[in-house]
Amino acid sequence: EAGVAQSPRYKIIEKRQSVAFWCNPISGHATLYWYQQILGQGPKLLIQFQNNGVVDDSQLPKDRFSAERLKGVDSTLKIQPAKLEDSAVYLCASSLDPGSFGNTIYFGEGSWLTVV
Amino acid sequence: GEDVEQSLFLSVREGDSSVINCTYTDSSSTYLYWYKQEPGAGLQLLTYIFSNMDMKQDQRLTVLLNKKDKHLSLRIADTQTGDSAIYFCAESMGGGATNKLIFGTGTLLAVQP
Repeated sequence: EAGVAQSPRYKIIEKRQSVAFWCNPISGHATLYWYQQILGQGPKLLIQFQNNGVVDDSQLPKDRFSAERLKGVDSTLKIQPAKLEDSAVYLCASSLDPGSFGNTIYFGEGSWLTVV
Repeated sequence: GEDVEQSLFLSVREGDSSVINCTYTDSSSTYLYWYKQEPGAGLQLLTYIFSNMDMKQDQRLTVLLNKKDKHLSLRIADTQTGDSAIYFCAESMGGGATNKLIFGTGTLLAVQP
């Protein structure tokens, strides 16, 4: 079974530029998550989708971050304009159903962003 | 509030047992998880425990849950150099469609040969 795919793996941009990350979840997984992991910290949830609807975006800095999952499968996360403090790993994850037994969430390898 | 705490660093010798500890805040969490993160990699689910259990064993891994103290631990028996990684505990919060994971800060496990 293919895992959660993310691209690009690495990105370096200057502050005030924009960047977009792409995620393809495991086939059939209705729930998709974007997490931000700053160096030395645990992942923090940015946004959660159930199919193509947003379930939780309370921690998403909406003045600069946006995310969409138009057809309920792939998702993109955009940052515009980027700030130095956005340097982090952006992890995409998916699960079959948030209410399912164990709610096993599978993570991709992450997209590493450095803002200079 | 949402706060999961872990010690930052643990060093053990190869062959010894490792015990990584975690405290969480939400007594209504239904599941608690342990994830492993190797350098440059994503998060790998190691094991999880349902909140009505005290212990779960899975090969070299033993999870202990003290719900009264909101304390979770992960014991790795016969620790190997390949176990060197950052270990995150996480609690589930919300319910149904809003279920999400709150992660701790991670414990760096260093295994000395």
